[in-house]
Amino acid sequence: KNQVEQSPQSLIILEGKNCTLQCNYTVSPFSNLRWYKQDTGRGPVSLTIMTFSENTKSNGRYTATLDADTKQSSLHITASQLSDSASYICVPISGTYKYIFGTGTRLKVLA
Amino acid sequence: DAEITQSPRHKITETGRQVTLACHQTWNHNNMFWYRQDLGHGLRLIHYSYGVQDTNKGEVSDGYSVSRSNTEDLPLTLESAASSQTSVYFCASSEPTGELFFGEGSRLTVL
Repeated sequence: KNQVEQSPQSLIILEGKNCTLQCNYTVSPFSNLRWYKQDTGRGPVSLTIMTFSENTKSNGRYTATLDADTKQSSLHITASQLSDSASYICVPISGTYKYIFGTGTRLKVLA
Repeated sequence: DAEITQSPRHKITETGRQVTLACHQTWNHNNMFWYRQDLGHGLRLIHYSYGVQDTNKGEVSDGYSVSRSNTEDLPLTLESAASSQTSVYFCASSEPTGELFFGEGSRLTVL
């Protein structure tokens, strides 16, 4: 059964600090993995995509890692800003269009 | 700019009523999807379409239907609304590479 587990469920950090969000997944067959950011009351927006052959990918202050062998991914946020307050959703993908959505990590950045 | 819009953004209805949520995209994407988002669950797929006249059931399709008469629109119909269908509904479309673009969501309350 396809499953995605994200940790922590919620996180509070001070502005300027770094944080790392974790994702463990069981998806077969595995194609690639995306991280989405969802602001409160808005639709999710893709941050990055990781193919099974990629280990690390950066998008500004966001760095995603993927270990396809252990089926783990992480999203590291550097020098957090108030605008980073959102839910971050790990989405492993099976085939081209079978998205398996995690329940997300809710991040709150305090001034 | 291309976009995907949903309407209404908020809807309150009564049990047993028929409800239709509209989704319109100007990306010219062939693939369109409807998801629901509830606390404690990741986004769950209701129905999807890979092109005009094509519709498919997702994992939580009971009580919902869709039709695809053109590329731009995929309306979601609740045949007889139930309290269990109170949720936030997201429409999405995807480009050939697979990235999903989401609308802003429609919050439905069934009393």
